[in-house]
Amino acid sequence: SQQGEEDPQALSIQEGENATMNCSYKTSINNLQWYRQNSGRGLVHLILIRSNEREKHSGRLRVTLDTSKKSSSLLITASRAADTASYFCATATSSNTGKLIFGQGTTLQVKP
Amino acid sequence: EAGVVQSPRYKIIEKKQPVAFWCNPISGHNTLYWYLQNLGQGPELLIRYENEEAVDDSQLPKDRFSAERLKGVDSTLKIQPAELGDSAVYLCASSSRDGEQFFGPGTRLTVL
Repeated sequence: SQQGEEDPQALSIQEGENATMNCSYKTSINNLQWYRQNSGRGLVHLILIRSNEREKHSGRLRVTLDTSKKSSSLLITASRAADTASYFCATATSSNTGKLIFGQGTTLQVKP
Repeated sequence: EAGVVQSPRYKIIEKKQPVAFWCNPISGHNTLYWYLQNLGQGPELLIRYENEEAVDDSQLPKDRFSAERLKGVDSTLKIQPAELGDSAVYLCASSSRDGEQFFGPGTRLTVL
């Protein structure tokens, strides 16, 4: 079963624009993580935000977390063609922090 | 440092045949995960090992799937017999305890 729902399912933007992806989940979490997956490749960990954090930055990535709304967003600023990939959010609950439950992902296409 | 290694990368078999996937985690990572990823979906956990002990196999279809992690390092995931619906990408990941998960490239299984 998948806990997260991601929105939009697909996103197409021009290079240089910002991309925003949203993730909603159902149960209380310990942390939420974002992963990137290039076509035919494994997943790469991007960023982790804990339930007591509201915002986190890593390079061109900005993640927010609203536990009252059970939602998170991933913002990629000044996008590049190399950012083209699928992006997944994954949640870990307090009772089982070792188990990640992934959303269905957002497919991002950045056009040069 | 080598990442998570999986083999084979691709496998095509006929239904009712057995198939096995192999995973070598990152050195020193005690936790190993097997995930199933269907097309257009996020990964779903099949089994998680802490060293050689399977600590979460609730999502593993035990009638046809089996896994082992002898000596707490490499792991093998087996399907016997394979069904058409098993066509998917099988991902292996490893982590230090409850740490960031590092994914391998996956094995793409096609069952004809």
